[in-house]
Amino acid sequence: EAGVAQSPRYKIIEKRQSVAFWCNPISGHATLYWYQQILGQGPKLLIQFQNNGVVDDSQLPKDRFSAERLKGVDSTLKIQPAKLEDSAVYLCASSLSGKRDALEQYFGPGTRLTVT
Amino acid sequence: AQKVTQAQTEISVVEKEDVTLDCVYETRDTTYYLFWYKQPPSGELVFLIRRNSFDEQNEISGRYSWNFQKSTSSFNFTITASQVVDSAVYFCALAWNQGGKLIFGQGTELSVKP
Repeated sequence: EAGVAQSPRYKIIEKRQSVAFWCNPISGHATLYWYQQILGQGPKLLIQFQNNGVVDDSQLPKDRFSAERLKGVDSTLKIQPAKLEDSAVYLCASSLSGKRDALEQYFGPGTRLTVT
Repeated sequence: AQKVTQAQTEISVVEKEDVTLDCVYETRDTTYYLFWYKQPPSGELVFLIRRNSFDEQNEISGRYSWNFQKSTSSFNFTITASQVVDSAVYFCALAWNQGGKLIFGQGTELSVKP
């Protein structure tokens, strides 16, 4: 079974530029998550989708970050404009729809973003 | 508030030593879920275990074992006879609702030297 796919793996941009990350979850996984992991810290949730609806985006900096999950499969996370503090690894994860239980999340390899 | 604390930032052991990674959590929910993930140098988070709050049975999987104690809000992870391939950052995480987000600790970087 294929895992969570993400691209690109690495991205270097200058501040104030825009960038987009792509994620393809495990087939059949209804729930998709985007996490931000700053160096030396644990991942922090940015946004959670259930199919193509947003479940939780309370920690998404909406003035510069946006995300969508068209057709309830692939997802794109965008930053516009980027700031230096956005330098981090952006992790995508997916899980089966957990109607009763918080199920294990499976993570992709991440996109390492460097903002200069 | 929900919180996970991993007080050990870095641990260094010699191969074949046993090592325990500590995890303390805080939550007001009566139903919650605890997880351990491994993050090797490649960067991908690898799922190791999930425990439900109503199941305090300890678990053993090969060289890995987990000790869940609600009385002390701890969910510790022990690696027996450590190996160099165990070198990674280990994260403890908490989720408290249906399919909800994971709250991660800061992680413990384990270095196993030959």
